[in-house]
Amino acid sequence: QSALTQPASVSGSPGQSITISCTGTSSDVGAYDYVSWYQQHPGKAPKLMISDVSNRPSGVSYRFSGSKSGNTASLTISGLQADDEADYYCSSFTTSRTVVFGGGTKLTVL
Amino acid sequence: EVQLLESGGGLVQPGESVRLSCAASGFTFSSYAMSWVRQAPGKGLEWVSSIHYTGGSTYYPDSVKGRFTISRDNSKNTLSLQINSLRAEDTAVYYCAKNPERSIRLFDYWGQGTLVTVS
Repeated sequence: QSALTQPASVSGSPGQSITISCTGTSSDVGAYDYVSWYQQHPGKAPKLMISDVSNRPSGVSYRFSGSKSGNTASLTISGLQADDEADYYCSSFTTSRTVVFGGGTKLTVL
Repeated sequence: EVQLLESGGGLVQPGESVRLSCAASGFTFSSYAMSWVRQAPGKGLEWVSSIHYTGGSTYYPDSVKGRFTISRDNSKNTLSLQINSLRAEDTAVYYCAKNPERSIRLFDYWGQGTLVTVS
């Protein structure tokens, strides 16, 4: 099972919006609405930010939103803040009943 | 409050075995699937195993199948991961993660991780 494809890095200025893409195949991202997004600050454990493509867990800012079209999912962060600077990972459940992660995207807030 | 506390990591030699444990609290452990996810130094996340809430079904990627064994003790609220025939590429932080309900499709809570160094 190959990893999902994410851009290695994205950047934006405070207040701006950015979007991180996550591309898979018809056997993972395109198969189900089971894409999740995780935020990881340096030296910390990952934190669930988006579940099932577009659901925000309790306590996650409304500035985080998710979507999917075909085999590509996206995470959008609006109103960028300094604390949003972190690594972001997507994951998807697959038709083989396994889980695959993306390679991760480093977000830099300029 | 959900708490997951991993233990068992350390420095191990290639070819040896290690058993990682995760002590869970703050939720009804026996009602949820559980998983392990690892992260090699400076690298991304990699899912390595999951187990059904009853322990009756286990799941692994092909990359670790046959060497990794996940298990749970619902009477002790403990999750375990046995890794045999350790290789240098198994060096990573191993995270214990809780799944929502009975599904392994995502990880809603994570422990702080335990570092396994194979050298």
